[in-house]
Amino acid sequence: EVQLVESGGGLVQPGGSLRLSCAASGFTFSNSWMNWVRQAPGKGLEWVANIKPDGSEKYYVDSVKGRFTISRDNAKNSLYLLMNSLRAEDTAVYYCAKPIVPGTFDYWGQGTLVTVSS
Amino acid sequence: QSALTQPASVSGSPGQSITISCTGTSSDVGGYNYVSWYQHYPGKAPKLMIYEVSNRPSGVPDRFSGSKSGNTASLTISGLQAEDEADYYCSSYTSTRTLDVVFGGGTKLTVL
Repeated sequence: EVQLVESGGGLVQPGGSLRLSCAASGFTFSNSWMNWVRQAPGKGLEWVANIKPDGSEKYYVDSVKGRFTISRDNAKNSLYLLMNSLRAEDTAVYYCAKPIVPGTFDYWGQGTLVTVSS
Repeated sequence: QSALTQPASVSGSPGQSITISCTGTSSDVGGYNYVSWYQHYPGKAPKLMIYEVSNRPSGVPDRFSGSKSGNTASLTISGLQAEDEADYYCSSYTSTRTLDVVFGGGTKLTVL
């Protein structure tokens, strides 16, 4: 059974940093692109970033470029999102998601809430 | 403002059919057959209902169907059931490399 379990969310002040983790199991993690998708309160889903299976390519939505870094450790079947210079508008539930075909996610985690507030 | 346009809400009575539209551009919905639909209950993980425009993952009832015409995709739910009440999001792969996936703003389905 495929499982994706996020952790690391919490309350952080504007300008602060947070590192999210996603523990994957039930599939060959090292063969799969992986993604982060977020949902701000009362808003829709927004793709944030993705990373190639070997970590050699990474892509980001414009609003987080230069502030967020996606990474992975295939030996630990884990995906990460390091978030720096956090802003109030980064407040959201962050999901890790596994794609089945380009742009389509067949498995999602339960999400971890990030709240940026003073 | 979301990249794909969905109605904010739709409603229907049990047993009826409803259709949710999802309008994009030739750079996303109109340009690729990687259109998907997700069912999302608050506090839960989104669930893939339709992929590649009209394919259903294993376990998704055949009451759910998808289609596409030009830059607009549609999700139809027939034989509405109370448990179908949820938020539904469309998504599409996009050719703009700065953005891998675009989502719609979501549609709240109410079963009356």
